[in-house]
Amino acid sequence: GQQVMQIPQYQHVQEGEDFTTYCNSSTTLSNIQWYKQRPGGHPVFLIQLVKSGEVKKQKRLTFQFGEAKKNSSLHITATQTTDVGTYFCAVSSGTYKYIFGTGTRLKVLA
Amino acid sequence: NAGVTQTPKFQVLKTGQSMTLQCAQDMNHNSMYWYRQDPGMGLRLIYYSASEGTTDKGEVPNGYNVSRLNKREFSLRLESAAPSQTSVYFCASSGAGINQPQHFGDGTRLSIL
Repeated sequence: GQQVMQIPQYQHVQEGEDFTTYCNSSTTLSNIQWYKQRPGGHPVFLIQLVKSGEVKKQKRLTFQFGEAKKNSSLHITATQTTDVGTYFCAVSSGTYKYIFGTGTRLKVLA
Repeated sequence: NAGVTQTPKFQVLKTGQSMTLQCAQDMNHNSMYWYRQDPGMGLRLIYYSASEGTTDKGEVPNGYNVSRLNKREFSLRLESAAPSQTSVYFCASSGAGINQPQHFGDGTRLSIL
């Protein structure tokens, strides 16, 4: 079955440093979604990527979809304490059945 | 503007008891989902309903049943709870089509002793 690897599991950064999390799939994807979950909260949708090689930006966040549509990355420039949480990718091979990655837990030290 | 509402928020059960988790959305979404999240883990899909009247198994359906009561409501039932089902359960909904963002409820924290 489809497998999704997300790395790293944990990342501690000093406020102002950059952060990147990667999502890798064993199969070609239809699309990929990214979510953020604050401690004790629920996942909140950030963005969706559909096209091969697509790059999207939201303020300090940059999302990229690989050319082969098997991997994706989320990059945060100059982290802030408000960026704390766990970032998940969720992948689909063209159905309603989404597989979530195990997440990257980001801690930002002030 | 409630979005996705889950009840209850917390529950403690004894092994072997049954329970139904309720989920309702007010966004007129077609698709609804049930996930479980274990400590330090991602979300695993239990069941989903692509549209009213249909339900399908996800990654971890064993020990659970679901009912899509109408377009708004999607319930999850544990017939005979086991300690391995201790988890946080999230319900989500999304609009028509497969490439739609999912909107999550606040979750139900379920402990089975």
